[in-house]
Amino acid sequence: DAKTTQPTSMDCAEGRAANLPCNHSTISGNEYVYWYRQIHSQGPQYIIHGLKNNETNEMASLIITEDRKSSTLILPHATLRDTAVYYCIVRLPNNAGNMLTFGGGTRLMVKP
Amino acid sequence: DAGVIQSPRHEVTEMGQEVTLRCKPISGHDYLFWYRQTMMRGLELLIYFNNNVPIDDSGMPEDRFSAKMPNASFSTLKIQPSEPRDSAVYFCASSPAPGRRGGGYTFGSGTRLTVV
Repeated sequence: DAKTTQPTSMDCAEGRAANLPCNHSTISGNEYVYWYRQIHSQGPQYIIHGLKNNETNEMASLIITEDRKSSTLILPHATLRDTAVYYCIVRLPNNAGNMLTFGGGTRLMVKP
Repeated sequence: DAGVIQSPRHEVTEMGQEVTLRCKPISGHDYLFWYRQTMMRGLELLIYFNNNVPIDDSGMPEDRFSAKMPNASFSTLKIQPSEPRDSAVYFCASSPAPGRRGGGYTFGSGTRLTVV
């Protein structure tokens, strides 16, 4: 699975959009981009995933660049409850063992 | 569905004692994973099962750790004997087969283990 690079931490004002970047320059053609988040004292939570088209669900939007070497997770109207560590993971959905490997993630602090 | 259920939520034990952590995955999920999280090492995959069969236990730190999945609805992670460095939050996760919803994982709430 391709490695990812994320900023260690970010701040965002409550009510504003939070844009979390992720670099994955070694991504291969069949690898998907997954985003999870972990709120303090909870298990990681699946947010969204995509291959090359932009994706949107009730939680967030995922924008993947045309060359697929980077992506951005967008929380359109961040709330205090969105304060968490956000993990960007690149993997084949049917990789050996369906394993998910977590890096350091981005610690997002939403401030009032 | 109640999600992935782990018990206990908190466990405090003395060094040398046996510790058993329990997990009930989501019904119908083919994969079950055990992770450990510490401040120093982050989230580490310990072992995973596919259809109740252990597939990869290369992340298990040493022989003191063992995991079983006797049926599709239950798994245990056992540490015997426990040591202070085993103190961590242990997460269980399950997922459907790859290709279904991209194989997205659902995590339990974790067990916070403290070995004194």
